[in-house]
Amino acid sequence: EVQLVESGGGLVQPGRSLRLSCAASGFTFDEYAMHWVRQAPGKGLEWVSGINWNSGTIGYADSVKGRFTVSRDNAKNSLYLQMNSLRAEDTALYYCAKDWHIYGYGGTFDNWGQGTLVTVSS
Amino acid sequence: DIQMTQSPSSLSASVGDRVTITCRASQSISSYLNWFQQRPGKAPKLLIYAVSGLQSGVPSRFSGSGSGTDFTLTISSLQPEDFATYYCQQSYSTPKITFGQGTRLEIK
Repeated sequence: EVQLVESGGGLVQPGRSLRLSCAASGFTFDEYAMHWVRQAPGKGLEWVSGINWNSGTIGYADSVKGRFTVSRDNAKNSLYLQMNSLRAEDTALYYCAKDWHIYGYGGTFDNWGQGTLVTVSS
Repeated sequence: DIQMTQSPSSLSASVGDRVTITCRASQSISSYLNWFQQRPGKAPKLLIYAVSGLQSGVPSRFSGSGSGTDFTLTISSLQPEDFATYYCQQSYSTPKITFGQGTRLEIK
């Protein structure tokens, strides 16, 4: 069974940094692209970033480009999101999601974690 | 960037009703269109992939259609567990991906 467990969320002041992690199990992690998707309180889904199996293809939403960095450690079956220069509008539940295309970057998310909450406030 | 626009934003319906949700892309996305369901307090769930493919375990009352810029999600006979928020999502412009703003389906 695929499991994705996010961690690292919390309360942080504007302008500070936070690093999210996603621990994956139940599938061969290094064969699949992974993504971060966020959802502000009471709002819709927003794709944040994605990374393919070997980190050769990486994408960011315009709203986070230049501030957030996605990475992965295939040896540790883990996905990361380094978030710098955080703003109030980054407040959201951050989901880790698995892409279903093996060795690709298809953008179809077939498994999701339960999310970790990031609150940016002074 | 490709924008995805869903209509309606919210919808009230009764158990047993047939419901259709529309998603329009700002440019052609071929068949790179997925649908997700999100129940309150839960993570999203993939329902339909590549316009009309039914994800494993999803009931056959869900169906999708369309191509190019206009797409629809249809629920043939609403069940109580179907009351949720539905999102379309395009994966044509990878690595960038965009979701529609969501359609909230409520019980009448």
